[in-house]
Amino acid sequence: AQSVTQLDSQVPVFEEAPVELRCNYSSSVSVYLFWYVQYPNQGLQLLLKYLSGSTLVKGINGFEAEFNKSQTSFHLRKPSVHISDTAEYFCALIAGAGSYQLTFGKGTKLSVIP
Amino acid sequence: GAGVSQSPSNKVTEKGKDVELRCDPISGHTALYWYRQSLGQGLEFLIYFQGNSAPDKSGLPSDRFSAERTGGSVSTLTIQRTQQEDSAVYLCASSLGQRDTQYFGPGTRLTVL
Repeated sequence: AQSVTQLDSQVPVFEEAPVELRCNYSSSVSVYLFWYVQYPNQGLQLLLKYLSGSTLVKGINGFEAEFNKSQTSFHLRKPSVHISDTAEYFCALIAGAGSYQLTFGKGTKLSVIP
Repeated sequence: GAGVSQSPSNKVTEKGKDVELRCDPISGHTALYWYRQSLGQGLEFLIYFQGNSAPDKSGLPSDRFSAERTGGSVSTLTIQRTQQEDSAVYLCASSLGQRDTQYFGPGTRLTVL
């Protein structure tokens, strides 16, 4: 079975500072990796995804993530955060070429401090 | 264009009652998913529909849960004899096809008293 671990449940960071949200995964088959963001009382919005190719993936709102197969990680980064980035972030995977269901991590709450 | 819509946005019910949750996917999306988001369990897959194929019900937690998708579009998730542990946010998502980006609706917050 596959799993996703988000190492930090909460991350406070000052406005305009850089941030890294950590995600590690476990799977015996190849994976597709995703980061979703959830603003309060809203659904999930896709930030970025890794399917294949370049291991550095750029997404919306200035976020990027790097797929590291040897470390089974897919950490999310942003060089300078804004107040509007305050939200909960979920790392997720789809395991195997024939699969479709997302397996999510527990989420990381990012709080941007003015 | 319009995104995934879900109704109702909030539902409060008494233990033992049946509830129906509705999902309208993005037009043209053949794949539809239901997930549940709860404090204790996080985000969990419930069920998957793809076109006219038999749905994958492997994530449904008990036989009190069922879902259907009519005409390849709208889906209804039904929970019979609700229990307090069913309290959660139920999220619907749709995608063009298998493994394409899943677009999520705003969810239905279910509270069982």
